Order: sequence, then C-alpha cells, then structure tokens
Amino acid sequence: DADVTQTPRNRITKTGKRIMLECSQTKGHDRMYWYRQDPGLGLRLIYYSFDVKDINKGEISDGYSVSRQAQAKFSLSLESAIPNQTALYFCATSAASGAQTQYFGPGTRLLVL
Amino acid sequence: ELKVEQNPLFLSMQEGKNYTIYCNYSTTSDRLYWYRQDPGKSLESLFVLLSNGAVKQEGRLMASLDTKARLSTLHITAAVHDLSATYFCAVDPLGGADGLTFGKGTHLIIQP
Repeated sequence: DADVTQTPRNRITKTGKRIMLECSQTKGHDRMYWYRQDPGLGLRLIYYSFDVKDINKGEISDGYSVSRQAQAKFSLSLESAIPNQTALYFCATSAASGAQTQYFGPGTRLLVL
Repeated sequence: ELKVEQNPLFLSMQEGKNYTIYCNYSTTSDRLYWYRQDPGKSLESLFVLLSNGAVKQEGRLMASLDTKARLSTLHITAAVHDLSATYFCAVDPLGGADGLTFGKGTHLIIQP
C-alpha cells in the first residue's frame, strides 16, 4: 500500500463550487505539505503543517484553505473554485527533525470549468 | 525571495552521451534535493545533498553541491532511454522550517 494517498485522483468541477482534496499518510510523519504543479512552473507551496495545531501559509495560499484533522490527514479546500486553479495538486510529508526529504503522494488532477 | 533556476529546461540527447543539468539558487542554503518525475506520475526522491562539497551517486546519475557558488549539478553518464523524465531540484533554505522551493524542472528526452 502507498504511504501517501490522495483522493480524489481526478476531479472536474465548475467555477464557484467548493471542493476538498484529501491526503492521508501512514509514514508517521509530523510534517505535511500541499503543492500545486502547473506546466512549466515547477511546484509551488500552498500550505504546510508541522502538527495538528500548526498551519502555515505558503507562497500561493490565496483562494485555498486547509485542515489538519489528525497527524495522518491534511485536507486542502477550494472555497470557490476558479479556472486558474486548474492544476495538478500534490500532498507531501516529511519527518520532523533534520534535513528530511519530502515524500509525495500520487497527485490530484483538478479541472475547473 | 528565494529563486531556484534550472538549466536547461529542455534537453534532448542520444543514448550513450554525457550531460549535466544545472541548478542555481539565490540564497544561502546547504540543503538541496533532486527529484525525478515520470509523465503523469508523482515525484520520486533521487538525492539529498546536505553540505558543501556533497556528492551522491546512483547508477548513471551523480549529484553535487557547491554552497559557496549556490550551485548544484546533476550529471548523467552514458545516458539510457530509461532516464527520460523531468528532473527537479529543490532548495530548503530554512533547515526544514519551511517547504521546499522548486526549480521549473528539466524535461529530459533520451533517444536511441
């Protein structure tokens, strides 16, 4: 079984709709991250969390919100989706201490019409 | 604002050839990561470089870090088709206190 899972894997929604992307991990990591990937732009950080009570904005947090329901779960919400939020969204996790690589989930491909 | 620049962004090369991908970054950091992404797939960690002069090798790939020059390189030796992918470097300037800042990626195609 995958250590980092994301649901849904693909989603089509309409402008103005609220949607939630979910991430779960079994790695026991404290740190979790949400990134979006756009063609030719690499990955950009949306939000990150170091534990259930610690949520931080990343480079491009406008239009997004997150919830850390438990150590293993980190959800990303688009309160009112717009077409330029069409992208590939990745969740990642890392251990708390030292310089730890981030482990990425399989991604959620989102299309906003 | 931290900037991470990779070059080239696109590279087409023949099997058997050697080549180097460059990753420059704009602020002090001694933590640099290389990832690989296959089309439609997630990112796979390749190397973690944690100090000036660090060199890591895996198969035909070798990564190095020069923190004084703020430069990392990913060298490909005797390329094979299976190495075709997009390669990203990412910098962690705050020692884990923040997320990673990624370069735009190098799309590598290796032709027989």
